Order: sequence, then C-alpha cells, then structure tokens
Amino acid sequence: DTGVSQNPRHKITKRGQNVTFRCDPISEHNRLYWYRQTLGQGPEFLTYFQNEAQLEKSRLLSDRFSAERPKGSFSTLEIQRTEQGDSAMYLCASSAGRGRLSGANVLTFGAGSRLTVL
Amino acid sequence: AQRVTQPEKLLSVFKGAPVELKCNYSYSGSPELFWYVQYSRQRLQLLLRHISRESIKGFTADLNKGETSFHLKKPFAQEEDSAMYYCALSGYTGFQKLVFGTGTRLLVSP
Repeated sequence: DTGVSQNPRHKITKRGQNVTFRCDPISEHNRLYWYRQTLGQGPEFLTYFQNEAQLEKSRLLSDRFSAERPKGSFSTLEIQRTEQGDSAMYLCASSAGRGRLSGANVLTFGAGSRLTVL
Repeated sequence: AQRVTQPEKLLSVFKGAPVELKCNYSYSGSPELFWYVQYSRQRLQLLLRHISRESIKGFTADLNKGETSFHLKKPFAQEEDSAMYYCALSGYTGFQKLVFGTGTRLLVSP
C-alpha cells in the first residue's frame, strides 16, 4: 500500500469547464475526507464519507461540487462550471477506526490535486 | 463553533534555540488537539496528538484547558525541523470534523 493516492496532481482548466479528482485511500481505512487548501490558509473541511455513505458536507461545498464514494473504496470530487475562486489544492485524507482512541481522527493525507482555473 | 488560532505566520530561530509554536482554540465541548506538519515537498502528516501524551522528534505539546491552548515546544531546534506546522482540533462527540489553523512556518537557520 502506497498510502493515499490522488489524481491528477495538477489540473489547469478554463473557467466554466468541469473537473474531476480521484482519491484512492488506504485500503483498510473506512473513513475518507476531502479538504481544500488555498494559499496562506490551513486545510478547510469539505466533506466526509464513512464507507460509501456521505455523512457530512461543509457549507463550502456549493451545488457545483459533488463527491461520491460508490463502493466504499475510491472517491471522486467533481466541480462543475469551475470558477477562478475554485483554484486551490484539493486534499484527500483517510482514517481508520470507530473511535478516537483507535485513531479515527488521525488522518493520512494524500499529496493533493492542485487546480488552477484560468 | 470550532476555531483554531495560530498567531504567528513565521517563526525564525537559530539551530539549538528553544522553539514554541503557539496554538489557541475555541470550542464549547471537550476538544481533541493535534499538531500536523508538512515538510518541504512532502505530504501533510500527523506530528502528535494530545491524547497520546508522546514526545515526537523532541516536540511536546500540553493541552491547557484553562488557557485554551496547545502550544508546541521543543527545547533545541534542528535544521530538519524547518516546516509548516498546523494545529488542529476535533470534538469528542459523534463525528466532529478536524478544523485546522492557518499554520506557522518554522525556519531553523544554522
């Protein structure tokens, strides 16, 4: 297992286009998270899956954003009709366990997918 | 609402000097606190968590509920400690997202 894998690593697109990012978490991890990070800021929570169920979504996740984890394994984050404000690093993370002592809040991050919207 | 404040964007010290990266939090319940680190060209990774009460790479952090702080300390900084450090907070009840501060860049000069 090579950890959390994200593709593509870089994406440059024109405003109005759709983009999709993929995340492959650590195989034993049942929890998967998407975060967004812009310059000078810490990661901001977008959404969370436990297995295939999307259990939490941030208000940051407008209706142009959709995330799926169809079989409880990999996840995709799609942004429709991209805007320049969507330019950011999109981070995926995963964790295991059902409680805090088992490491449920110990996140393993991927390298991120950097989106540039022209 | 959960909030994490890291007042310093940059902390620059010389090798061998003590280091303290400040973190203050706001949370109405009982928090779980973390420090994550990102070295140059590497992924964001966990450094330590308050529940473990460990010293990792010489770093320690004590949760002070009275002052709502979780400062990261190291008595003698090394050049390899240069990195971006993020303090993060989660709650204990149910699912509580991990909320990050804006980060502090630590630069250790020879």
